[in-house]
Amino acid sequence: QKEVEQDPGPLSVPEGAIVSLNCTYSNSAFQYFMWYRQYSRKGPELLMYTYSSGNKEDGRFTAQVDKSSKYISLFIRDSQPSDSATYLCAMSGGIGGSEKLVFGKGTKLTVNP
Amino acid sequence: SQTIHQWPATLVQPVGSPLSLECTVEGTSNPNLYWYRQAAGRGLQLLFYSVGIGQISSEVPQNLSASRPQDRQFILSSKKLLLSDSGFYLCAWSPGTSVGYTFGSGTRLTVV
Repeated sequence: QKEVEQDPGPLSVPEGAIVSLNCTYSNSAFQYFMWYRQYSRKGPELLMYTYSSGNKEDGRFTAQVDKSSKYISLFIRDSQPSDSATYLCAMSGGIGGSEKLVFGKGTKLTVNP
Repeated sequence: SQTIHQWPATLVQPVGSPLSLECTVEGTSNPNLYWYRQAAGRGLQLLFYSVGIGQISSEVPQNLSASRPQDRQFILSSKKLLLSDSGFYLCAWSPGTSVGYTFGSGTRLTVV
């Protein structure tokens, strides 16, 4: 079993739809949960992160972590064509030089106008 | 503010030729530095990371090597490229005191 599993999609939705992106993981030591957005031919950029369990909201984006189920989600409300990108989840057990992020493979999202 | 520079953006190299990709970070000191490769369908693969000058850790034994000659400079090299070295190479940094990495804009390498 891989440490982090993420459905690669692709996912295609109409503008204004609610998008749900998900990852599952196996390592119970993970404490920090991140979502990165990567536009085509660009480097990933950190969208938001959550520590331990719970929800975090930032504008149209909401991140959820359920540590009991080892399941994390990113919701995008009122999706826009500019949200079209690949979304990668990432996790780590801590912060510091020896702590390395473990990434999902990414889900490619297309929002159609 | 901190910025990360990575170049070149695109590179086409013949099999057997050498490789040198450079990454520099500005506006910070003693960053943790990382080299990743991203191939279609395989996600981000950590190649090397460094927590200080001359300190390089290799995650995957392969045809590549890394060096950190200065505090904010990270170089990815190969003596002889293979076709399988083709991919999108990303440099990243972190201060080691906050969550997540900041990635560079990447180098798309095609070995022909």
